[in-house]
Amino acid sequence: SAVISQKPSRDICQRGTSLTIQCQVDSQVTMMFWYRQQPGQSLTLIATANQGSEATYESGFVIDKFPISRPNLTFSTLTVSNMSPEDSSIYLCSSRWGDTQYFGPGTRLTVL
Amino acid sequence: EDQVTQSPEALRLQEGESSSLNCSYTVSGLRGLFWYRQDPGKGPEFLFTLYSAGEEKEKERLKATLTKKESFLHITAPKPEDSATYLCAVQAAGGTSYGKLTFGQGTILTVHP
Repeated sequence: SAVISQKPSRDICQRGTSLTIQCQVDSQVTMMFWYRQQPGQSLTLIATANQGSEATYESGFVIDKFPISRPNLTFSTLTVSNMSPEDSSIYLCSSRWGDTQYFGPGTRLTVL
Repeated sequence: EDQVTQSPEALRLQEGESSSLNCSYTVSGLRGLFWYRQDPGKGPEFLFTLYSAGEEKEKERLKATLTKKESFLHITAPKPEDSATYLCAVQAAGGTSYGKLTFGQGTILTVHP
Protein backbone atom coordinates (compact mmCIF):
# COMPACT_ATOMS: atom_id res chain seq x y z
CA SER A 1 0.00 0.00 0.00
CA ALA A 2 1.01 3.62 -0.40
CA VAL A 3 1.64 6.24 2.23
CA ILE A 4 0.38 9.74 1.53
CA SER A 5 1.04 12.59 3.93
CA GLN A 6 -0.35 16.12 3.94
CA LYS A 7 0.59 19.36 5.61
CA PRO A 8 -0.95 21.12 7.39
CA SER A 9 -3.45 18.75 8.97
CA ARG A 10 -5.71 21.67 9.78
CA ASP A 11 -5.77 25.44 9.64
CA ILE A 12 -8.02 28.37 10.44
CA CYS A 13 -7.69 31.23 7.98
CA GLN A 14 -9.12 34.68 7.45
CA ARG A 15 -11.32 35.58 4.53
CA GLY A 16 -9.34 36.85 1.51
CA THR A 17 -6.11 35.04 2.32
CA SER A 18 -4.60 31.99 0.62
CA LEU A 19 -3.40 28.64 1.95
CA THR A 20 -1.06 26.17 0.31
CA ILE A 21 -1.50 22.49 1.14
CA GLN A 22 1.36 20.07 0.58
CA CYS A 23 1.07 16.42 -0.38
CA GLN A 24 3.93 13.92 -0.22
CA VAL A 25 3.77 10.36 -1.55
CA ASP A 26 6.24 7.69 -0.46
CA SER A 27 6.82 6.38 -4.00
CA GLN A 28 6.84 7.86 -7.48
CA VAL A 29 3.48 8.18 -9.18
CA THR A 30 2.47 9.61 -12.51
CA MET A 31 -0.79 11.22 -11.41
CA MET A 32 -1.88 12.81 -8.18
CA PHE A 33 -5.38 14.02 -7.48
CA TRP A 34 -6.94 16.66 -5.26
CA TYR A 35 -10.40 16.14 -3.79
CA ARG A 36 -12.64 18.29 -1.62
CA GLN A 37 -15.04 17.08 1.05
CA GLN A 38 -17.40 19.82 2.14
CA PRO A 39 -19.17 19.56 5.50
CA GLY A 40 -21.75 16.80 5.38
CA GLN A 41 -20.92 16.04 1.75
CA SER A 42 -18.99 13.35 0.00
CA LEU A 43 -15.74 13.70 -1.94
CA THR A 44 -15.51 15.66 -5.18
CA LEU A 45 -12.52 15.71 -7.53
CA ILE A 46 -11.00 19.17 -7.95
CA ALA A 47 -8.18 18.43 -10.38
CA THR A 48 -5.62 15.93 -11.62
CA ALA A 49 -1.97 16.91 -11.27
CA ASN A 50 0.44 15.38 -13.78
CA GLN A 51 4.16 15.84 -13.44
CA GLY A 52 5.52 18.05 -16.19
CA SER A 53 2.21 19.38 -17.45
CA GLU A 54 -0.62 21.66 -16.43
CA ALA A 55 -3.20 20.33 -14.03
CA THR A 56 -6.56 19.26 -15.43
CA TYR A 57 -9.51 20.81 -13.61
CA GLU A 58 -13.00 19.38 -13.19
CA SER A 59 -16.10 21.36 -14.05
CA GLY A 60 -16.72 24.04 -11.47
CA PHE A 61 -13.07 24.39 -10.43
CA VAL A 62 -10.64 26.92 -11.96
CA ILE A 63 -6.90 27.38 -11.86
CA ASP A 64 -7.07 30.93 -10.51
CA LYS A 65 -8.91 29.71 -7.42
CA PHE A 66 -7.06 26.40 -6.97
CA PRO A 67 -3.57 26.64 -8.49
CA ILE A 68 -1.68 23.34 -8.36
CA SER A 69 2.00 22.56 -8.61
CA ARG A 70 3.60 19.19 -9.37
CA PRO A 71 7.37 19.68 -9.33
CA ASN A 72 8.27 15.97 -9.19
CA LEU A 73 6.82 12.47 -9.04
CA THR A 74 6.30 12.39 -5.26
CA PHE A 75 5.06 15.87 -4.38
CA SER A 76 2.21 18.26 -5.16
CA THR A 77 0.69 21.40 -3.72
CA LEU A 78 -2.81 22.82 -3.86
CA THR A 79 -3.40 26.47 -3.08
CA VAL A 80 -6.81 27.72 -2.05
CA SER A 81 -6.79 31.37 -3.09
CA ASN A 82 -8.75 34.40 -1.91
CA MET A 83 -10.63 32.24 0.55
CA SER A 84 -14.22 32.69 1.66
CA PRO A 85 -16.19 30.77 4.31
CA GLU A 86 -17.60 28.59 1.51
CA ASP A 87 -14.10 27.16 1.05
CA SER A 88 -14.25 25.58 4.50
CA SER A 89 -13.76 21.90 3.70
CA ILE A 90 -11.44 18.97 4.02
CA TYR A 91 -8.96 18.84 1.15
CA LEU A 92 -7.57 15.42 0.29
CA CYS A 93 -4.68 14.32 -1.84
CA SER A 94 -4.95 11.00 -3.66
CA SER A 95 -2.98 8.76 -5.96
CA ARG A 96 -3.30 5.49 -7.84
CA TRP A 97 -1.23 2.35 -7.66
CA GLY A 98 -2.55 -0.02 -10.28
CA ASP A 99 -6.27 -0.22 -9.65
CA THR A 100 -6.09 0.86 -6.04
CA GLN A 101 -6.64 4.50 -5.17
CA TYR A 102 -5.32 5.80 -1.86
CA PHE A 103 -6.06 8.99 0.00
CA GLY A 104 -4.07 11.13 2.34
CA PRO A 105 -5.29 12.06 5.82
CA GLY A 106 -6.76 15.36 4.63
CA THR A 107 -6.34 19.02 5.52
CA ARG A 108 -9.25 20.49 7.46
CA LEU A 109 -9.63 24.14 6.47
CA THR A 110 -11.85 26.61 8.30
CA VAL A 111 -12.28 30.08 6.82
CA LEU A 112 -13.59 32.83 9.10
CA GLU B 1 -23.76 11.87 -15.48
CA ASP B 2 -22.42 9.21 -13.12
CA GLN B 3 -24.41 8.83 -9.90
CA VAL B 4 -23.93 6.85 -6.70
CA THR B 5 -26.59 6.46 -4.03
CA GLN B 6 -25.89 4.75 -0.73
CA SER B 7 -28.44 3.44 1.73
CA PRO B 8 -29.21 3.61 4.52
CA GLU B 9 -27.74 6.99 5.48
CA ALA B 10 -27.13 5.67 8.98
CA LEU B 11 -27.22 2.20 10.48
CA ARG B 12 -27.07 1.26 14.13
CA LEU B 13 -26.26 -2.36 14.99
CA GLN B 14 -25.65 -4.35 18.10
CA GLU B 15 -22.34 -6.13 18.30
CA GLY B 16 -22.68 -9.42 16.45
CA GLU B 17 -25.75 -8.33 14.45
CA SER B 18 -24.90 -8.87 10.78
CA SER B 19 -26.25 -6.52 8.11
CA SER B 20 -25.62 -5.06 4.65
CA LEU B 21 -24.98 -1.63 3.19
CA ASN B 22 -26.22 -0.82 -0.30
CA CYS B 23 -24.60 1.18 -3.10
CA SER B 24 -26.67 1.79 -6.24
CA TYR B 25 -24.90 3.29 -9.20
CA THR B 26 -25.48 4.69 -12.66
CA VAL B 27 -22.38 4.96 -14.83
CA SER B 28 -21.60 5.02 -18.52
CA GLY B 29 -19.56 1.83 -18.44
CA LEU B 30 -18.09 0.70 -15.15
CA ARG B 31 -14.33 0.49 -14.85
CA GLY B 32 -14.33 -0.16 -11.14
CA LEU B 33 -16.39 0.17 -7.97
CA PHE B 34 -14.53 1.10 -4.81
CA TRP B 35 -15.39 0.73 -1.13
CA TYR B 36 -13.71 2.84 1.53
CA ARG B 37 -13.94 3.21 5.27
CA GLN B 38 -13.59 6.71 6.73
CA ASP B 39 -13.08 7.40 10.42
CA PRO B 40 -13.80 10.89 11.83
CA GLY B 41 -11.01 13.33 11.05
CA LYS B 42 -9.21 10.92 8.73
CA GLY B 43 -8.93 10.26 5.03
CA PRO B 44 -10.73 7.34 3.38
CA GLU B 45 -9.12 3.95 3.92
CA PHE B 46 -9.22 1.66 0.89
CA LEU B 47 -11.16 -1.60 1.33
CA PHE B 48 -12.03 -3.16 -2.03
CA THR B 49 -12.18 -2.67 -5.77
CA LEU B 50 -14.74 -4.68 -7.78
CA TYR B 51 -14.74 -4.79 -11.56
CA SER B 52 -17.53 -6.96 -12.92
CA ALA B 53 -20.95 -8.32 -11.98
CA GLY B 54 -20.74 -11.43 -9.87
CA GLU B 55 -17.40 -10.52 -8.34
CA GLU B 56 -16.98 -10.85 -4.57
CA LYS B 57 -14.15 -9.83 -2.24
CA GLU B 58 -13.67 -10.42 1.47
CA LYS B 59 -11.58 -8.89 4.21
CA GLU B 60 -12.06 -9.98 7.80
CA ARG B 61 -15.73 -9.34 8.66
CA LEU B 62 -16.45 -7.49 5.40
CA LYS B 63 -17.60 -8.93 2.10
CA ALA B 64 -18.32 -6.84 -0.98
CA THR B 65 -20.43 -8.02 -3.90
CA LEU B 66 -21.29 -6.44 -7.25
CA THR B 67 -24.19 -6.63 -9.69
CA LYS B 68 -24.80 -4.56 -12.81
CA LYS B 69 -26.70 -1.92 -10.85
CA GLU B 70 -25.54 -2.12 -7.25
CA SER B 71 -23.00 -3.29 -4.75
CA PHE B 72 -23.45 -4.58 -1.24
CA LEU B 73 -21.07 -4.44 1.67
CA HIS B 74 -21.96 -7.26 4.03
CA ILE B 75 -20.75 -6.98 7.62
CA THR B 76 -20.73 -10.24 9.53
CA ALA B 77 -20.80 -10.21 13.34
CA PRO B 78 -19.66 -6.58 13.56
CA LYS B 79 -17.63 -5.22 16.44
CA PRO B 80 -17.63 -1.68 17.87
CA GLU B 81 -14.35 -0.99 16.04
CA ASP B 82 -16.20 -1.40 12.74
CA SER B 83 -18.04 1.85 13.49
CA ALA B 84 -17.17 4.32 10.72
CA THR B 85 -18.57 5.91 7.58
CA TYR B 86 -18.46 3.55 4.62
CA LEU B 87 -18.09 5.19 1.22
CA CYS B 88 -18.81 3.73 -2.19
CA ALA B 89 -17.37 5.21 -5.40
CA VAL B 90 -17.37 4.37 -9.09
CA GLN B 91 -14.94 5.02 -11.88
CA ALA B 92 -16.34 5.24 -15.38
CA ALA B 93 -14.64 3.44 -18.24
CA GLY B 94 -12.98 5.66 -20.81
CA GLY B 95 -12.97 8.71 -18.60
CA THR B 96 -10.54 11.52 -19.26
CA SER B 97 -9.32 11.43 -15.66
CA TYR B 98 -7.91 8.10 -14.60
CA GLY B 99 -8.38 8.91 -10.93
CA LYS B 100 -11.83 10.46 -11.08
CA LEU B 101 -14.06 8.65 -8.65
CA THR B 102 -17.70 9.58 -8.16
CA PHE B 103 -18.61 9.06 -4.51
CA GLY B 104 -21.86 8.37 -2.72
CA GLN B 105 -22.84 10.21 0.42
CA GLY B 106 -21.79 7.33 2.64
CA THR B 107 -23.40 5.18 5.30
CA ILE B 108 -22.61 5.99 8.92
CA LEU B 109 -22.33 2.69 10.76
CA THR B 110 -22.48 2.57 14.55
CA VAL B 111 -21.96 -0.74 16.32
CA HIS B 112 -22.96 -0.83 19.99
CA PRO B 113 -21.31 -3.26 22.41
